[in-house]
Amino acid sequence: GDSVTQMEGPVTLSEEAFLTINCTYTATGYPSLFWYVQYPGEGLQLLLKATKADDKGSNKGFEATYRKETTSFHLEKGSVQVSDSAVYFCALSAKRGGSEKLVFGKGTKLTVNP
Amino acid sequence: DGGITQSPKYLFRKEGQNVTLSCEQNLNHDAMYWYRQDPGQGLRLIYYSQIVNDFQKGDIAEGYSVSREKKESFPLTVTSAQKNPTAFYLCASSIFGVGVNTEAFFGQGTRLTVV
Repeated sequence: GDSVTQMEGPVTLSEEAFLTINCTYTATGYPSLFWYVQYPGEGLQLLLKATKADDKGSNKGFEATYRKETTSFHLEKGSVQVSDSAVYFCALSAKRGGSEKLVFGKGTKLTVNP
Repeated sequence: DGGITQSPKYLFRKEGQNVTLSCEQNLNHDAMYWYRQDPGQGLRLIYYSQIVNDFQKGDIAEGYSVSREKKESFPLTVTSAQKNPTAFYLCASSIFGVGVNTEAFFGQGTRLTVV
């Protein structure tokens, strides 16, 4: 079935370091891909998305490119800040039973130290 | 402001009791979802509904029930049949399903603890 695998955490970086969180997926058809962010004690917020191969989603300095050939959607940021500390979830939209739903990875906790 | 509201934020339940978690949205979204979040498990889909008076089981529906009598409301009942109910529960909504150019909007979550 459809699934998302993202790198295990936790990830700890110093401020201004480069961030990569790996995400690969398995899906039939052509899913849309998403990154969501969850700050402590809160729900999830959409960070960025890409709807077709080679699309690049970007927001708040974060970027991810939809790579169909490697079935990947890695999240990157050139210079992280303390305020980026959160849990990041990779997700895809999957068709099941005639409807579409989000399938999530297990999440990667990022801590950025000053 | 438009959004999705879950209540309460924290909920304590005694073993053997049913409890209902509230989820309300004023975004005029057709689809609503309930997810369960456990440490190291990511989010798992419990139930979803794409239209009033209709809903489908997700991946872990056992021990849970839902209703969708109004477009804006999708309450989740955690029954005594749920063997391990302590978790963080997230409600979400979207325009219709999730796919091209749609996104899911999440509530702030309800943390349920069985005591």
